[in-house]
Amino acid sequence: AQSVAQPEDQVNVAEGNPLTVKCTYSVSGNPYLFWYVQYPNRGLQFLLKYITGDNLVKGSYGFEAEFNKSQTSFHLKKPSALVSDSALYFCAVRDDTGFQKLVFGTGTRLLVSP
Amino acid sequence: NAGVTQTPKFQVLKTGQSMTLQCAQDMNHEYMSWYRQDPGMGLRLIHYSVGAGITDQGEVPNGYNVSRSTTEDFPLRLLSAAPSQTSVYFCASSYRGQSSGANVLTFGAGSRLTVL
Repeated sequence: AQSVAQPEDQVNVAEGNPLTVKCTYSVSGNPYLFWYVQYPNRGLQFLLKYITGDNLVKGSYGFEAEFNKSQTSFHLKKPSALVSDSALYFCAVRDDTGFQKLVFGTGTRLLVSP
Repeated sequence: NAGVTQTPKFQVLKTGQSMTLQCAQDMNHEYMSWYRQDPGMGLRLIHYSVGAGITDQGEVPNGYNVSRSTTEDFPLRLLSAAPSQTSVYFCASSYRGQSSGANVLTFGAGSRLTVL
């Protein structure tokens, strides 16, 4: 069965500094990997996905993520953080054999200070 | 284009009561799912459906029923509510394919349920 680990409950970064939110995964077969963001009292919004192709994936709001197969990681990054990036971020994975059962991590709260 | 619509947004139940959380999507998505979100536990899959008439269990299905009589609707039924079912519930849908939007879940705004 697939699983996702987000080892940090919270990440603190100053505005203008680069940010990284970590994610590692376990899946049999090839992974489909996703990042979603949740703002307070809102549903989740899609940021980016990796299915195949280039290991560096670019997504919404200037975010990008790097797929590393040997380390089974899919860390979310942004070169310059904004206060408005403060939110809860979820990594998710499913295998390539089915259409269902997207498994989410426990989430990482990003706090960007002015 | 409303996307995924969930009702109600808030509900308070007493232990043992039953209720249905409604979910409707107008995007003709074949795949629909229900998740619950609890602090420190992320989102956990309750039930999902890959098309009308087809449903299956996720990670935490006990105490919940679903049906999928149409492509648009996927209601979640709590048979006999328990305090452990206090949570925020999200419905989500997606479609299969190769386009950039394929396999991406579109989420509803959530339903906050409290069981006393």
